[in-house]
Formats: sequence, structure tokens, C-alpha cells
Amino acid sequence: NAGVTQTPKFQVLKTGQSMTLQCAQDMNHNSMYWYRQDPGMGLRLIYYSASEGTTDKGEVPNGYNVSRLNKREFSLRLESAAPSQTSVYFCASSAGGVGEQYFGPGTRLTVT
Amino acid sequence: QQQVKQSPQSLIVQKGGIPIINCAYENTAFDYFPWYQQFPGKGPALLIAIRPDVSEKKEGRFTISFNKSAKQFSLHIMDSQPGDSATYFCAASRPGTYKYIFGTGTRLKVLA
Repeated sequence: NAGVTQTPKFQVLKTGQSMTLQCAQDMNHNSMYWYRQDPGMGLRLIYYSASEGTTDKGEVPNGYNVSRLNKREFSLRLESAAPSQTSVYFCASSAGGVGEQYFGPGTRLTVT
Repeated sequence: QQQVKQSPQSLIVQKGGIPIINCAYENTAFDYFPWYQQFPGKGPALLIAIRPDVSEKKEGRFTISFNKSAKQFSLHIMDSQPGDSATYFCAASRPGTYKYIFGTGTRLKVLA
């Protein structure tokens, strides 16, 4: 039981490049989330998927797109990376509704 | 109205001390208040959570105190240990939503 897994662990991009961050969970959870973590700003929600087939914007969705590929997988895409997207990205999942969210180990992204 | 304000930003205590981290919120619709603990290089993990129908909840050395009228809640760590050195985040959630609003985090260092 791996919980929530994220790939890659580290990535360096040049401004304007694109990439997709992958997330998978093996807990049969309905809801999945993408956060970014920046110093002094806590965790901010980018997008979430309450259930398979649905996605919704969080606090900071601009510059990102998501895909809920199936119940297990939720990907985050940066179409044209900008230095302001340099951050640590966390994926999380939960059974649904209010309750414990389980976080992955994070992806550290640097955009130069 | 959606913010959760957390203080202090950082905290240093001696081993055995009782660090206290405070959070305040405005939205009275919030009804679930978790605390997450994050070690360097790891994702956050749920530590303890409370709902507003109780004023205090203890789990081991960790206690949440909740003041509904003041719209504040706090985390107390009894007999703190160096292994408690981590970043702590409070959060809040409204019923019927799948989202947390996180505080900005408190970096705790417990000196041996």
C-alpha cells in the first residue's frame, strides 16, 4: 500500500516549457487535490476533483490544467511554465467530503 | 472571510516546554479544524482535528483548544521533544465542501 505517489520528485524547466506532474493513489479515495507550497504562504489549493469525472478550481488555478484520468490518477499540467510557478507541489487524496487528506511526498519544481 | 490566520510564524522552545500555536478564522460556517504536521522533505500528515461542538480534544501529547465565540483554535504540545521539530499547519473546512483553507504554517524547533 503506497498511499499517494507523485512523479517526478524534482524538475527544472525553462520559462515557456510545459510539463505534467503525475499523481496516483491506491486507497480507493474519491477526492483528489493539487496544492502548491511556497515559503510564508502555506498550502494553497490549485485544483481539486471531488469525484471521478469532475474537477474544480481552487484558490490559485491560473496557469494550470488538470485531468482526472480515472479514480486513481490526477495529473497537473503546466502549459507554459513561468518563474512564478517555482514551488513545491503536493497531491493529496481523501475518501470524500470533509475528512483526512493524505498527502504525497511532493514535487520540487524550479522554473528558470 | 475565507482566510485562516496562523501565528507565530516560527517558534523555538526547550525540550519539555509547551509550544502553543494559534489560529483565527472569520467564516462561522467552518465546522472542521484539522492540524497537519510536516517534516522537511515530506508531505503534511494529519495530527489531530476538532469540530466546534467540543472545546478541547487531546491525542497523546497534542491538544486542540477551541473557542467558538472568539473564532480561534490553538494547538498545544505537552512535554515537547526534539522529534516534534516540524512545520505545523492549521486548516478549516466548511460542510458540503471538499476543500481546506490552510494557515500559513508555524516552524517549530525544539532544542535538546
